[in-house]
Amino acid sequence: SQKIEQNSEALNIQEGKTATLTCNYTNYSPAYLQWYRQDPGRGPVFLLLIRENEKEKRKERLKVTFDTTLKQSLFHITASQPADSATYLCARMDSNYQLIWGAGTKLIIKP
Amino acid sequence: DTGVSQNPRHKITKRGQNVTFRCDPISEHNRLYWYRQTLGQGPEFLTYFQNEAQLEKSRLLSDRFSAERPKGSFSTLEIQRTEQGDSAMYLCASSLVGQGSEQFFGPGTRLTVL
Repeated sequence: SQKIEQNSEALNIQEGKTATLTCNYTNYSPAYLQWYRQDPGRGPVFLLLIRENEKEKRKERLKVTFDTTLKQSLFHITASQPADSATYLCARMDSNYQLIWGAGTKLIIKP
Repeated sequence: DTGVSQNPRHKITKRGQNVTFRCDPISEHNRLYWYRQTLGQGPEFLTYFQNEAQLEKSRLLSDRFSAERPKGSFSTLEIQRTEQGDSAMYLCASSLVGQGSEQFFGPGTRLTVL
């Protein structure tokens, strides 16, 4: 079965540095991956989508890469700020339009 | 506010009781999804609708769970004979039709079964 794996350990980053989060998937490559941000007690908020034929996508301080050889997507936040502290979720959609989610990685940006 | 809304935000119930949650999606969105999320995990797909048709339901979903979207607008999720293991955050999301369409989530309903 398809799985999405994210590092379950919290990631602590100093303010101003680049935070990099990893999303690994098994079996065949999804057509695309989505990244979401989730704050405590709230629903996820969509950030970026990257398609399998795209190697990189950017939005302001965010960058996502997609490596179909490594079966991996990396999510980068440059010039990180304490307000970026949240849990970041990676998800792929299967053929039945279900989003299959990773468990998320908690990011903590220290001032 | 034109986002996705869910009611109630919190529900505490005793084991064996029935509960019903409501979701109002973004008005022009055809698709509506229900997820369940427990602490430290990503959302787990439960079911989804396209307009009023329920097109997919998780194989893991107990028959105590039922969802409706009678007029293709709001949706309800009912859990019958609740169990302690049903305690979770129940999330609703909506989207436009189209592969890869981003999903817009509501704030969730937190269910606690005592």
